[in-house]
Amino acid sequence: NAGVTQTPKFRVLKTGQSMTLLCAQDMNHEYMYWYRQDPGMGLRLIHYSVGEGTTAKGEVPDGYNVSRLKKQNFLLGLESAAPSQTSVYFCASRESLAGDHYEQYFGPGTRLTVT
Amino acid sequence: LAKTTQPISMDSYEGQEVNITCSHNNIATNDYITWYQQFPSQGPRFIIQGYKTKVTNEVASLFIPADRKSSTLSLPRVSLSDTAVYYCLVGRMDSNYQLIWGAGTKLIIKP
Repeated sequence: NAGVTQTPKFRVLKTGQSMTLLCAQDMNHEYMYWYRQDPGMGLRLIHYSVGEGTTAKGEVPDGYNVSRLKKQNFLLGLESAAPSQTSVYFCASRESLAGDHYEQYFGPGTRLTVT
Repeated sequence: LAKTTQPISMDSYEGQEVNITCSHNNIATNDYITWYQQFPSQGPRFIIQGYKTKVTNEVASLFIPADRKSSTLSLPRVSLSDTAVYYCLVGRMDSNYQLIWGAGTKLIIKP
């Protein structure tokens, strides 16, 4: 049981390039999330999904797109990278029926630098 | 979405009990209070969650007064490995589940 995995772990892009970050979870969770974390700050929600085939905007969605074609995967795309998108990106997932608490499980993060 | 206020940093010593208080004056009726821990270069890890009164698990306790405008995370007998950033969050636990993450409290445990 690997939990939540993210690929790649590190990436350097030039301004204007595109890339896709992959998040995969093996816990059969319905909900998945993409966050970004900038130095000294908390996480900010980019997009999230409440089930396969669904996506919704979070707090900072501009410049990003997402897709949830399979329940276990949640992809984050940057169509035209900008230096302002330099950040650490975290993916998370959680169950829809939480029992006695609602817990998000986080991946190890992807460190992205846009030059 | 409720915002939270917590101290930027705290210091303590091994073996001590550490209490981190979070203020959330605008908490809504359906909001839960959740605490996460984050080590450098890692994703956050769930610690504890509650709605009212007191919740205790194997690693921490969460105290919530009746008005729910604040909460206190209590870590008993801390060790050096508890040095981390601790986040207090409030939010609805439903399909529109969104959490606002503040800057957190950087807790440093000294020997």
